[in-house]
Amino acid sequence: RKEVEQDPGPFNVPEGATVAFNCTYSNSASQSFFWYRQDCRKEPKLLMSVYSSGNEDGRFTAQLNRASQYISLLIRDSKLSDSATYLCVVLSSNDYKLSFGAGTTVTVRA
Amino acid sequence: DTGVSQNPRHKITKRGQNVTFRCDPISEHNRLYWYRQTLGQGPEFLTYFQNEAQLEKSRLLSDRFSAERPKGSFSTLEIQRTEQGDSAMYLCASSLGPVGNTIYFGEGSWLTVV
Repeated sequence: RKEVEQDPGPFNVPEGATVAFNCTYSNSASQSFFWYRQDCRKEPKLLMSVYSSGNEDGRFTAQLNRASQYISLLIRDSKLSDSATYLCVVLSSNDYKLSFGAGTTVTVRA
Repeated sequence: DTGVSQNPRHKITKRGQNVTFRCDPISEHNRLYWYRQTLGQGPEFLTYFQNEAQLEKSRLLSDRFSAERPKGSFSTLEIQRTEQGDSAMYLCASSLGPVGNTIYFGEGSWLTVV
């Protein structure tokens, strides 16, 4: 079983729509969680950390459910520039190894 | 540019040849990581350095792979006797202290083995 599993999508949504997707992780000892964004053939970049209480950053909302071991990301009022692959990332019980999901592809159309 | 720098950015090599990639981390960052990413997959952890010490090496790294970080500054990743399955993007990243702090990725080095 992979450490981090994501729905690969693609999610194809119109501008202004809301899109949400989840990922699940297998290691209950995982301590930190992140969403990264990756554009085609570019490096991953941190979008936001995910906190137990849930957190927002502008149009992006992240939620963590430790009991069920899943993480979600919601994008409100989608923009064309939100088109990317979103990587769910988990920091294992050590403090240095990130485990990445395979990514969820989002395409926002005009 | 004060980010993580990788070179070469692209490398095409024949099967069986050796290749070496270099990573220059952000100058004050003591931690350095190598990841590998293939099409349709997320990055996979390869190895981790704290200063000059290589503290973990993934099972993904066969004996043909070696990484070094002399003097705790830049790092090199060498692949000997390349195989077509080595074709991937090799990502270097660095952080100051634990990766719970922000980790910064370089733009990656693309390897194509023909």
